[in-house]
Amino acid sequence: EIVLTQSPATLSLSPGERATLSCRVSQTISRYLAWYQQKPGQAPRLLISNASNRASGIPARFSGSGSGTDFTLTISSLEPEDFAVYYCQQRADWPITFGQGTRLDIK
Amino acid sequence: QVRLLQSGAEVKKPGSSVKVSCKASGATFGTFAFNWVRQAPGQGLEWLGGFIPGFGPVNYAQSFQDRLTIDADESSHTAFLELRSLTFDDTAMYYCARDPTGQDPFDIWGQGTFLTVSS
Repeated sequence: EIVLTQSPATLSLSPGERATLSCRVSQTISRYLAWYQQKPGQAPRLLISNASNRASGIPARFSGSGSGTDFTLTISSLEPEDFAVYYCQQRADWPITFGQGTRLDIK
Repeated sequence: QVRLLQSGAEVKKPGSSVKVSCKASGATFGTFAFNWVRQAPGQGLEWLGGFIPGFGPVNYAQSFQDRLTIDADESSHTAFLELRSLTFDDTAMYYCARDPTGQDPFDIWGQGTFLTVSS
């Protein structure tokens, strides 16, 4: 199965700062990567599909990049509501797999 | 607007089975895939399986293949997850999620169903 490794495990930043989250994949997946945001007590929410396409209603401060095995989610200027856990997911092959998550904390 | 409404929380004993439902509204049944994802307390997301009702087989995560059944009732627009031989490790939130084509990320999620396995 395809393994996704997210880094860092925890990222502590202040509102207004730029966040850069990484997802490395164990084999090439072209651009079949998605990013999700999950807040406590809520279901995950789709942010990015196909590595860089923002989902409907997602603010422009969220952007995704990468292809092959290395992917990045960038939040250009953190808002208070952005502090959450972020997961990457691959749809290149079965089984569908997720990264272990990056927790974005307020510094 | 597509919505997925899941059944309520469950408490089960080890060795028993549970069946969780996910009712879809706002979209034509059989035109999108249902997937099931679980999340143990404080842990990450784990995909269990998925399918498009009426189109092809269910894809299961290998570690669940022998005790998991995913199916649907088209007349009620409802998908089901049945997990058998429950252990304490099955205690988790179970989510259904929509994949609009069968090959895409999950754009709509249910509210989750929490399963507690306790003796």
